[in-house]
Amino acid sequence: IAGITQAPTSQILAAGRRMTLRCTQDMRHNAMYWYRQDLGLGLRLIHYSNTAGTTGKGEVPDGYSVSRANTDDFPLTLASAVPSQTSVYFCASSATTSPTDTQYFGPGTRLTVL
Amino acid sequence: GQNIDQPTEMTATEGAIVQINCTYQTSGFNGLFWYQQHAGEAPTFLSYNVLDGLEEKGRFSSFLSRSKGYSYLLLKELQMKDSASYLCAGLDSNYQLIWGAGTKLIIKP
Repeated sequence: IAGITQAPTSQILAAGRRMTLRCTQDMRHNAMYWYRQDLGLGLRLIHYSNTAGTTGKGEVPDGYSVSRANTDDFPLTLASAVPSQTSVYFCASSATTSPTDTQYFGPGTRLTVL
Repeated sequence: GQNIDQPTEMTATEGAIVQINCTYQTSGFNGLFWYQQHAGEAPTFLSYNVLDGLEEKGRFSSFLSRSKGYSYLLLKELQMKDSASYLCAGLDSNYQLIWGAGTKLIIKP
């Protein structure tokens, strides 16, 4: 089934630990995005990638890193997790880099940092 | 600063019509999106407006007034499955998406 998958579904993590959230899409979309969603706030863009081999910083990039080695995968890494990174993380993709293009979201990863 | 405002929560009755409003203040404007998000699930695209006016897609319609910085999502013949959060997002002059916090719509029988 075409779409975006994320792993893990949920995770409880001790502060200071390193964690990588995985995101894979099979739609051959060029652009991919990582968002965090917190209660009472809108989605906030962490990092994005317009095409394989390129990445860019979004609104809230501090404490996070990404890589885009190929078209399909876009992992998000928390080098040393802190409690303020407790959130629901969504990966998304769009067919083109046009900002008016529809974004397709993965099912999300619920991360709790203690 | 840039801001998207929408009501936190709304309640409506099955079979009725509901209008969810969204006002935006962005540096420049390149269109407005509406997404639907069921609890615990991913947002899914509903509509994109860049020109003034009403666009209809079945039971859902979206309206935009650029001069007023205002949009609404109109849902007709409400069904229980329409219970969800509705996210408004504006595209600013740098083509960055500014997301609202979402409106939780509760449908009662």
